[in-house]
Amino acid sequence: QVQLVQSGSEVKKPGSSVKVSCKASGGTLSTYTLNWVRQAPGQGLEWMGRLIPFLDIINYAQKFRGRVTITADKSTSTTYMELSSLRSEDTAVYYCARYSYGFQYFDSWGLGTLVTVSS
Amino acid sequence: QSALTQPRSVSGSPGQSVTISCTGTSSDVGGYDYVSWYQQHPGKAPKLMIYDVSERPSGVPDRFSGSKSGNTASLTISGLQAEDEADYYCCSYAGSFTFWVFGGGTKLTVL
Repeated sequence: QVQLVQSGSEVKKPGSSVKVSCKASGGTLSTYTLNWVRQAPGQGLEWMGRLIPFLDIINYAQKFRGRVTITADKSTSTTYMELSSLRSEDTAVYYCARYSYGFQYFDSWGLGTLVTVSS
Repeated sequence: QSALTQPRSVSGSPGQSVTISCTGTSSDVGGYDYVSWYQQHPGKAPKLMIYDVSERPSGVPDRFSGSKSGNTASLTISGLQAEDEADYYCCSYAGSFTFWVFGGGTKLTVL
């Protein structure tokens, strides 16, 4: 069973960038789509973007275009999400979530990475 | 403001049934049979409970069921148990430009 293992919490200054990783432990990303979803404190879930590694397809939510970059290192089955020009409203838990290509639901989630943006 | 509208909270007593609604538009909920529901306990990652409107993953009790009518999807939990107390989020595919939209979440309280 593939597990999604995320990097640890981060504290960042406004205006800086953060890069969060998500490693598929116990398997590969071969036929999966990796997504990034965030949850601000006390708020709902918000889809940010996705990467289909085996097709090299990347899509971003309109809200984050220009500020978010999703990449992958296929050799280590690791996906990265980098968010730039951080502001306090970006304080949130960032989840990676997987769905199998051709399916339309998130069947596995990482435990989340807390990113705190504070001066 | 979330793209899909859910009630902020619902409640029920053990053994009762509750239904959580999720209202979208013809561009998301009404346009695709790709509605899924996620359960989230405090401090935990979301867990898939229903997919493709009404399908249940293995391991999810059959007390959980899903349905859809027009632009509104629903999650029904019957025979409420204490461990069902959690936040529930709906999610819908919304086409190849928007991709995925979520509801704002519903807090279920088991009285």
